[in-house]
Amino acid sequence: EAQVTQNPRYLITVTGKKLTVTCSQNMNHEYMSWYRQDPGLGLRQIYYSMNVEVTDKGDVPEGYKVSRKEKRNFPLILESPSPNQTSLYFCASSGRVSEAFFGQGTRLTVV
Amino acid sequence: AQKITQTQPGMFVQEKEAVTLDCTYDTSDPSYGLFWYKQPSSGEMIFLIYQGSYDQQNATEGRYSLNFQKARKSANLVISASQLGDSAMYFCAMIRVWDSSYKLIFGSGTRLLVRP
Repeated sequence: EAQVTQNPRYLITVTGKKLTVTCSQNMNHEYMSWYRQDPGLGLRQIYYSMNVEVTDKGDVPEGYKVSRKEKRNFPLILESPSPNQTSLYFCASSGRVSEAFFGQGTRLTVV
Repeated sequence: AQKITQTQPGMFVQEKEAVTLDCTYDTSDPSYGLFWYKQPSSGEMIFLIYQGSYDQQNATEGRYSLNFQKARKSANLVISASQLGDSAMYFCAMIRVWDSSYKLIFGSGTRLLVRP
């Protein structure tokens, strides 16, 4: 079954404590992205990757890092989380323009 | 700049009736794609339908159809025969076909509530 898997689904952490949200896809897609969803704003792209070792900033990259060492994995790293990064995060994977598969989402709360 | 506008923050529909969710977009690109996603209360993003800007016919997927009016820059979602399980948040999104980022630009969403 084609899927994008994110972990964890829920996370409560404290300000400044580094965390990583993992994302893995089993479709051999080249394109992967991270989005955050905030009320009234829809989803906004944080970072994207066109292939292994190729990443670039999206619209809201501040405070986030990513890496793409393997084609299937695209982790999102928050080196020093702050309360304004409390949000619902989605990883997405695409093999062509007409498709975008999303993970189940990670609800992050930073206190 | 690309932009998606969903002007209906919330809507009600009676079960078994059809409903139209509005979406307008702004782009100067000659080639682009339009998506609709459903987000139930559990939070996941479920793909519903896709329309390419050069597709000759309006896209349909089961009870979902996309009313694409290119000249008006609108891409409304029509759900026929609404079901209680259709109660959810619905997002319209656009993708720039030539953009290597594969970035989706989302609207703010419409919350649909289906009444029994």
